[in-house]
Amino acid sequence: QKEVEQNSGPLSVPEGAIASLNCTYSDRGSQSFFWYRQYSGKSPELIMSIYSNGDKEDGRFTAQLNKASQYVSLLIRDSQPSDSATYLCAVTLPWNGGSQGNLIFGKGTKLSVKP
Amino acid sequence: GAGVSQSPSNKVTEKGKDVELRCDPISGHTALYWYRQSLGQGLEFLIYFQGNSAPDKSGLPSDRFSAERTGGSVSTLTIQRTQQEDSAVYLCASSLVGGGSNQPQHFGDGTRLSIL
Repeated sequence: QKEVEQNSGPLSVPEGAIASLNCTYSDRGSQSFFWYRQYSGKSPELIMSIYSNGDKEDGRFTAQLNKASQYVSLLIRDSQPSDSATYLCAVTLPWNGGSQGNLIFGKGTKLSVKP
Repeated sequence: GAGVSQSPSNKVTEKGKDVELRCDPISGHTALYWYRQSLGQGLEFLIYFQGNSAPDKSGLPSDRFSAERTGGSVSTLTIQRTQQEDSAVYLCASSLVGGGSNQPQHFGDGTRLSIL
């Protein structure tokens, strides 16, 4: 069973702090990693993608990937109340005949940023 | 350009009725996915289409659920003899290419289905 694990939270941080969201995955052959943000009552929205070990920065967001540890994280700097949402980690499996389109989602971490 | 379009946005129906949910993917996207999300829960994979290939139906929860994709574009998810446990948000996503590629999925706004 291929799995993507996330702490369900809620993760509560004060406004202006750094929020750190973590994700582990079970298949060592995974190649592509995505973070989605889902506001309550809305659909998931792609916010970051990362394919290589190391850090990738986009504005206040930094994705970090460590394939050896099978770990991907999302850092949100200067957290704002508008960042309060559920963050979904998604991992592409190696080609296995196309099952599920090879993208497996974690159950998400709920982030709450307190003013 | 236009994103993934789903209709209706909301559907309320009586138990035992059939419902059809529609998804129009992003133009040029060959892969299309259906998910279900119950309140406060994660995404539950239902079915995946890649071009004209046979779909991966491994996530469909029962034989009351079926889906088709005509002409490699628009997809319809049909639920027959609806039950109260079918109440959820049904999300459609598309990607440029599926199956092991590095392409992310882009989601529509979903159809909120309520079974009375």
